[in-house]
Amino acid sequence: DAKTTQPTSMDCAEGRAANLPCNHSTISGNEYVYWYRQIHSQGPQYIIHGLKNNETNEMASLIITEDRKSSTLILPHATLRDTAVYYCIVRVPQRAAGNKLTFGGGTRVLVKP
Amino acid sequence: EAQVTQNPRYLITVTGKKLTVTCSQNMNHEYMSWYRQDPGLGLRQIYYSMNVEVTDKGDVPEGYKVSRKEKRNFPLILESPSPNQTSLYFCASRGVNNSPLHFGNGTRLTVT
Repeated sequence: DAKTTQPTSMDCAEGRAANLPCNHSTISGNEYVYWYRQIHSQGPQYIIHGLKNNETNEMASLIITEDRKSSTLILPHATLRDTAVYYCIVRVPQRAAGNKLTFGGGTRVLVKP
Repeated sequence: EAQVTQNPRYLITVTGKKLTVTCSQNMNHEYMSWYRQDPGLGLRQIYYSMNVEVTDKGDVPEGYKVSRKEKRNFPLILESPSPNQTSLYFCASRGVNNSPLHFGNGTRLTVT
């Protein structure tokens, strides 16, 4: 699985959009970009994933650059409950070897009132 | 409600006393797995199961056993727990292809 690089931490104002960047310059053509978040010691929660097109769901939007070497997760209107560690993961979904997700350090997002 | 349920949420035990952490999912998922999470080491996979009666080792299987006799259940067994198995444990399941993993709420285990 391709390695990802994320900022260690970032702050965001409540009600504003939070833009979380992720670099994955070694991504290969069949690898998807997944985003999960973990709210203090709870189980990681799936947010969104995509291959090359931008994606949107009820939680967030995912913008993937044309060369697929980086992506941005957008939380459109951050709330205090969005305070969490956000993980960007790149993997081949059908990969048989354990189907594990390799979680890096993630970005610790603090939403402030 | 679709969910992965782990029990117990908290467990304190002593070295060598066998224990089982249960995991159950109600989504008819074929794939299930166990992770442990430790400060500075992130989430590491212990064991996984692609289907009933099919299990395999993850990255850190030493000291753990699993079984998959039914599709919905995937218990984690520590035959002789040791203090280095003190950790936060997560069970996860997923459906086919590129569907995402669903995680349980975790079991915090302390071995003294």
